Amino acid sequence: EDKVVQSPLSLVVHEGDTVTLNCSYEVTNFRSLLWYKQEKKAPTFLFMLTSSGIEKKSGRLSSILDKKELFSILNITATQTGDSAIYLCGHAGGTSYGKLTFGQGTILTVHP
Amino acid sequence: NAGVTQTPKFQVLKTGQSMTLQCAQDMNHNSMYWYRQDPGMGLRLIYYSASEGTTDKGEVPNGYNVSRLNKREFSLRLESAAPSQTSVYFCASSEALYEQYFGPGTRLTVT
Repeated sequence: EDKVVQSPLSLVVHEGDTVTLNCSYEVTNFRSLLWYKQEKKAPTFLFMLTSSGIEKKSGRLSSILDKKELFSILNITATQTGDSAIYLCGHAGGTSYGKLTFGQGTILTVHP
Repeated sequence: NAGVTQTPKFQVLKTGQSMTLQCAQDMNHNSMYWYRQDPGMGLRLIYYSASEGTTDKGEVPNGYNVSRLNKREFSLRLESAAPSQTSVYFCASSEALYEQYFGPGTRLTVT
């Protein structure tokens, strides 16, 4: 059974701090790993990672995948209060095409 | 282009009542999904439809049924609601291995 574990489960920081969110996975047939940000409503897509060692970047957010050690990290530099959200990591793979298995999520709170 | 839409936004049911949650997407995606989200549990897949005419169970299918009515619409039915089904329900769609797009969610309370 595919499994995705995120850590920490919650994190409280102050504006300007840098945070690293972790996602480890156990899968039978890896296809891709995805990161989402969820504020009040629906999750919104951040990154999709398929290859090891290639960093994806969008503004202050970046993510990288290590397929040998089976984990991914999401970095946020110079955090702002608008970064407060639940960050979800999901793996696409296994025997079912397109099916995502999500971790529990990391709740990030950024104080002014 | 509305993306993924869900109705209703909120619903309160009594134990034993039935209801159908509706989902539609206008992105011409082949695959559609139903998730539930509970505190501390992330998103858990209930059912999914890889393409029109097919449906498969996800991680937590018990107590639910689905219908893929056509390429655009994917509904989730609770035949006899239970308090354990109190949750936020999200519908999503995707094209093959690309990112999933989520609807705004339905907050369901079963008393």
